[in-house]
Amino acid sequence: AQSVTQPDIHITVSEGASLELRCNYSYGATPYLFWYVQSPGQGLQLLLKYFSGDTLVQGIKGFEAEFKRSQSSFNLRKPSVHWSDAAEYFCAVGANAGNKLTFGGGTRVLVKP
Amino acid sequence: GAVVSQHPSWVICKSGTSVKIECRSLDFQATTMFWYRQFPKQSLMLMATSNEGSKATYEQGVEKDKFLINHASLTLSTLTVTSAHPEDSSFYICSARAVDTDTQYFGPGTRLTVL
Repeated sequence: AQSVTQPDIHITVSEGASLELRCNYSYGATPYLFWYVQSPGQGLQLLLKYFSGDTLVQGIKGFEAEFKRSQSSFNLRKPSVHWSDAAEYFCAVGANAGNKLTFGGGTRVLVKP
Repeated sequence: GAVVSQHPSWVICKSGTSVKIECRSLDFQATTMFWYRQFPKQSLMLMATSNEGSKATYEQGVEKDKFLINHASLTLSTLTVTSAHPEDSSFYICSARAVDTDTQYFGPGTRLTVL
């Protein structure tokens, strides 16, 4: 069975500092990996996705993620966070782009001024 | 870009009543829609997969008679929570799989509160 683990429940970062969110997955085949962001009371917005090819993926809002097969990881990074980046971030895995997704527990990011 | 809407965005109902939530793909066709549930401060859990013109596939532990899903057209799926109870209070999010791009798009969610 597929599963996703986000080890950090909460992360607090100062505005302008770098951010890295961890994601580890368990999947029997080649995974389709996603990062979503959710603002309070809102739906999900896709930040980026990885299917194949270059293991460093660029997304929206200045985010990037790196797929490391050997570590079963897909960590999300941003060089310099903005106050508007405060939100909940979810890593997800699926069999393909349009299939049902298994989500990690989420990481809540707080941004200090 | 592809847009998925949900209606209503929030609903409060009395225990024992039924509530219908709509999920629409506004500018694309979706043969498959997914329904997720998110409890406060928790992650999204898949409830069921809705396929146009056929019966929905429910995840283990989800009562199909309580959470009725209908996918009558390529742009609309509905989730009806029957005889709702306070423990059904949650944030319900749908997603739609676009036929042409095979990409999944999420709706904004519906917050259900059962008193």
